[in-house]
Amino acid sequence: AQSVSQHNHHVILSEAASLELGCNYSYGGTVNLFWYVQYPGQHLQLLLKYFSGDPLVKGIKGFEAEFIKSKFSFNLRKPSVQWSDTAEYFCAVSTPNNNDMRFGAGTRLTVKP
Amino acid sequence: DAGITQSPRHKVTETGTPVTLRCHQTENHRYMYWYRQDPGHGLRLIHYSYGVKDTDKGEVSDGYSVSRSKTEDFLLTLESATSSQTSVYFCAISEVAGNTIYFGEGSWLTVV
Repeated sequence: AQSVSQHNHHVILSEAASLELGCNYSYGGTVNLFWYVQYPGQHLQLLLKYFSGDPLVKGIKGFEAEFIKSKFSFNLRKPSVQWSDTAEYFCAVSTPNNNDMRFGAGTRLTVKP
Repeated sequence: DAGITQSPRHKVTETGTPVTLRCHQTENHRYMYWYRQDPGHGLRLIHYSYGVKDTDKGEVSDGYSVSRSKTEDFLLTLESATSSQTSVYFCAISEVAGNTIYFGEGSWLTVV
């Protein structure tokens, strides 16, 4: 089964700083890739997803992610973070027609006003 | 937000007692899932269902059972709760296997 690694456990940034959260997966076949966000006390919500096509995908709230197949990576970026981006971010990977979506351990982002 | 309702939202129970968590969806999605969320582990799949009466085990299924008697309802049962099952449990649904999963609000379970 595939596995997912998120390199950063806790990231602290000031408002307007740029963000990049790392995500690597281990699976050699075709994958679907996701980033979910969990605001404090809430459920996970989809930020963006990649199935095929343009490896640079744009999501909600100004987030984007780039799929680099050769590096098995799907890093999340945002040019300028806001205090409201404080949340936990989860990278996830699934394979088409398979129900076993795997999640990374999550990265907690704290944005200081 | 997807129409997913979990109950109870919060529960404290004693070791050794049975516990059932309920998930109800109004989206008519075929696939339903139960995940648990623990610090440092992210979300881990417990069981999933691909249709009425059709279920399968996930990554951390020991100590849990599930049932799906109707498309809209998916029950998770802890036959004899243990402290290691203290966690936040999320129900999720999907229209297509391997595609986007939508999550419910979560059920906080504490086993004392």
